[in-house]
Amino acid sequence: DVKVTQSSRYLVKRTGEKVFLECVQDMDHENMFWYRQDPGLGLRLIYFSYDVKMKEKGDIPEGYSVSREKKERFSLILESASTNQTSMYLCASSLLGRGGETQYFGPGTRLLVL
Amino acid sequence: KQEVTQIPAALSVPEGENLVLNCSFTDSAIYNLQWFRQDPGKGLTSLLLIQSSQREQTSGRLNASLDKSSGRSTLYIAASQPGDSATYLCAVWGTEYSGGGADGLTFGKGTHLIIQP
Repeated sequence: DVKVTQSSRYLVKRTGEKVFLECVQDMDHENMFWYRQDPGLGLRLIYFSYDVKMKEKGDIPEGYSVSREKKERFSLILESASTNQTSMYLCASSLLGRGGETQYFGPGTRLLVL
Repeated sequence: KQEVTQIPAALSVPEGENLVLNCSFTDSAIYNLQWFRQDPGKGLTSLLLIQSSQREQTSGRLNASLDKSSGRSTLYIAASQPGDSATYLCAVWGTEYSGGGADGLTFGKGTHLIIQP
């Protein structure tokens, strides 16, 4: 079974802090994704990566950056956390290619920025 | 830009009923369409994936259909059970020819399903 793990289930941070959200997948998947989920807005794509050291912006990249130094690990970075970044963050991975493959999701990290 | 709409937003039915969830999308240039299930406070579980060249997929009591030309998909759940209670999400993966937007999945806002025992 594919397993996607996220470093924390719940996080509480202060405005202005630098926040790291970590995601690890154990199935040698090429593609990894970060989404955020908000009530009334649904899931929205923040960043994605099709290969190591490669990243592409999604629909809402402002205020975020990412790092993919190793194939299995994809980190989302909030450079200076703000209250409007309070949300549920979901990481996903898929085997390879642009489309055509099932995306597998982690359990999510619920982030509260005070 | 691709938009995905799910109807109804919420549905409550007695146990044992067959039911249909609807999903529509605005741009037919897609690689695939996926249906997911999300339990409260949890991540997403993939239920079915339909490639753009396919018309339907089945898994157990679930059947999903795709009509790409009309921009519609349905998820049929047979003989519903209380354990089916969850939010069901539809998502499409657009191609480079889709009208704007980034790669990756575009999600609907979900149908919140309650199966009454």
